[in-house]
Amino acid sequence: GAGVSQSPSNKVTEKGKDVELRCDPISGHTALYWYRQSLGQGLEFLIYFQGNSAPDKSGLPSDRFSAERTGGSVSTLTIQRTQQEDSAVYLCASSPGTGIPLTYNEQFFGPGTRLTVL
Amino acid sequence: EDKVVQSPLSLVVHEGDTVTLNCSYEVTNFRSLLWYKQEKKAPTFLFMLTSSGIEKKSGRLSSILDKKELFSILNITATQTGDSAVYLCAVEGYNTDKLIFGTGTRLQVFP
Repeated sequence: GAGVSQSPSNKVTEKGKDVELRCDPISGHTALYWYRQSLGQGLEFLIYFQGNSAPDKSGLPSDRFSAERTGGSVSTLTIQRTQQEDSAVYLCASSPGTGIPLTYNEQFFGPGTRLTVL
Repeated sequence: EDKVVQSPLSLVVHEGDTVTLNCSYEVTNFRSLLWYKQEKKAPTFLFMLTSSGIEKKSGRLSSILDKKELFSILNITATQTGDSAVYLCAVEGYNTDKLIFGTGTRLQVFP
């Protein structure tokens, strides 16, 4: 497929458990983003990867959240010791990155993972 | 602090009505403003605006940016039930590639 894919589509977990969310960006896209959308909220930026540069982690809400991107492609968002307030839809997006005029700002979003923490 | 404010938060109209959605922003070194439509989970791209006064148009949707007054509007004419969605506005500054989103406007179009 040509789009961004995410897995799982839905995840229900118990409070205190760790979860891993996966994102497969569009091939060739150097930039990858994680966002969180809670009920009734806009998209909240979490973390941003650009090529081999150090990631921008400024949006991570706590040290329970971490993300990595292996080989400049697939990314995993890990939430440790989940809390009920972590319940949200986690969206991943990718873009071609800087340097390509007119199109580089457009982020292509995946279908998201709905996380429910009981 | 960079921020994006959208209004109204919610809008209910009948098919055929015209709606105007508002987005005001504050961002350091503004680069672009983007509009997205979100029906289920993933937002879909509508418009990217970088220059004031130039209207972008796609079918019944159009958008314009005012960089002096720091806002943008999204117009939808002759609304249809398929226009029902959350419309998100996002801005980007030159110093970063990340988007700052507003909370969105939820539009409901009834037959």
